[in-house]
Amino acid sequence: QAVVTQEPSLTVSPGGTVTLTCGSSTGDVTSGHYPYWFQQKPGQAPRTLIYDTNNRLSWTPARFSGSLRGGKAALTLSGARPEDEAEYHCLLSYSGDWVFGGGTKLTVL
Amino acid sequence: QVQLVQSGAEVKKPGASVRVSCKASGNTFTGYYFHWVRRAPGQGLEWVGWINPKNGDTNYAEKFQGRVTMIRDTSISTAFMELRRLRSDDTAVYYCATDLSAMVVAAYWGQGTLVTVSS
Repeated sequence: QAVVTQEPSLTVSPGGTVTLTCGSSTGDVTSGHYPYWFQQKPGQAPRTLIYDTNNRLSWTPARFSGSLRGGKAALTLSGARPEDEAEYHCLLSYSGDWVFGGGTKLTVL
Repeated sequence: QVQLVQSGAEVKKPGASVRVSCKASGNTFTGYYFHWVRRAPGQGLEWVGWINPKNGDTNYAEKFQGRVTMIRDTSISTAFMELRRLRSDDTAVYYCATDLSAMVVAAYWGQGTLVTVSS
């Protein structure tokens, strides 16, 4: 099974910009992996933020954006707010089988 | 507004089975897949599998094949996940999720069900 890798932790200042990445052990991440990004706060269910690389859901703040860069999927947060402190999980699809990354704990400090 | 309500916490002994339910409202139950994902303490999210509630087709992660069964009861708009031969490392919060559309999967999530496996 493929292994999906994320940064274990990142810190961003309020108002700052940070990029989280999501890599695949099988090679470059492409749009064919249909990258998803989820936000999860302690004690809560995940919340879906981004689908198919760069599409926001209706409830996703515009400060979150998704892309492909450097062979990885990326989630960029521009203008971080204290309420963005959470764990962020990426998901890649491998011919219909899903694999999650280990999650990135984002601190806004 | 789509809502998924899961059954309550369970405590099981090693070797036992657990069944978690996920009741949907606010959408066409048979229209979208149901996915099951778990999160063990200190770990990331882990995909367990999905079920197509229209015809009962399933796809399980290789790790769980032979131990998991996903079914649905369309008369009560509820999906179920049963995990057998439980081990201590199955201790986790189990989530169900369903799709917004054919293009947007796992958009709506249940609140999670804590399953504790302990002797």
